[in-house]
Amino acid sequence: DAGVIQSPRHEVTEMGQEVTLRCKPISGHNSLFWYRQTMMRGLELLIYFNNNVPIDDSGMPEDRFSAKMPNASFSTLKIQPSEPRDSAVYFCASSVLGQGPGQPQHFGDGTRLSIL
Amino acid sequence: EDKVVQSPLSLVVHEGDTVTLNCSYEVTNFRSLLWYKQEKKAPTFLFMLTSSGIEKKSGRLSSILDKKELFSILNITATQTGDSAIYLCAVFEYNFNKFYFGSGTKLNVKP
Repeated sequence: DAGVIQSPRHEVTEMGQEVTLRCKPISGHNSLFWYRQTMMRGLELLIYFNNNVPIDDSGMPEDRFSAKMPNASFSTLKIQPSEPRDSAVYFCASSVLGQGPGQPQHFGDGTRLSIL
Repeated sequence: EDKVVQSPLSLVVHEGDTVTLNCSYEVTNFRSLLWYKQEKKAPTFLFMLTSSGIEKKSGRLSSILDKKELFSILNITATQTGDSAIYLCAVFEYNFNKFYFGSGTKLNVKP
């Protein structure tokens, strides 16, 4: 049973470059979440989608960040231009959201991003 | 503003000790509280609690929720070095279908 798949696992790039992170959620899950984790700020929700529609992007830091979900099996998080302060581990998670108490989120292994 | 607060931030114990991790929350439209364990990579799901007073148990780990006092505890008995991890608490609210995460408790179990 495949879990949430993220790519790349590691990304090192210079500031100013465009960075694209990718995520494939678990098949059948209707919600997808992008998180950023740092030592200073912990796990922060950036944006989440329900049925491929962005529902809450209030956590997106600024206009340099954008996310898309063109279909139920793929999402991207893009940073352009990247800055050193964007260095963090970015997690994608998926879940089934409906009328119930909320199903647990399943996390991918994350992308460790370093901006030099 | 909705928030989740975990304590302590970090904890060092020796194998065999029992630990209690705390999670308090102020979240409107509460639906459920979840505990996760994060080792080197992704957080992995431990428990989901929706009702007060009903203990969830898995091996040496157990958790309980108090919806009146707005907190949950995670107990680990007879700790082992493999329990060393960051333990995250999250609350799910049903108005916006959002998960609010605490900052986590870093547990270090020494041999």
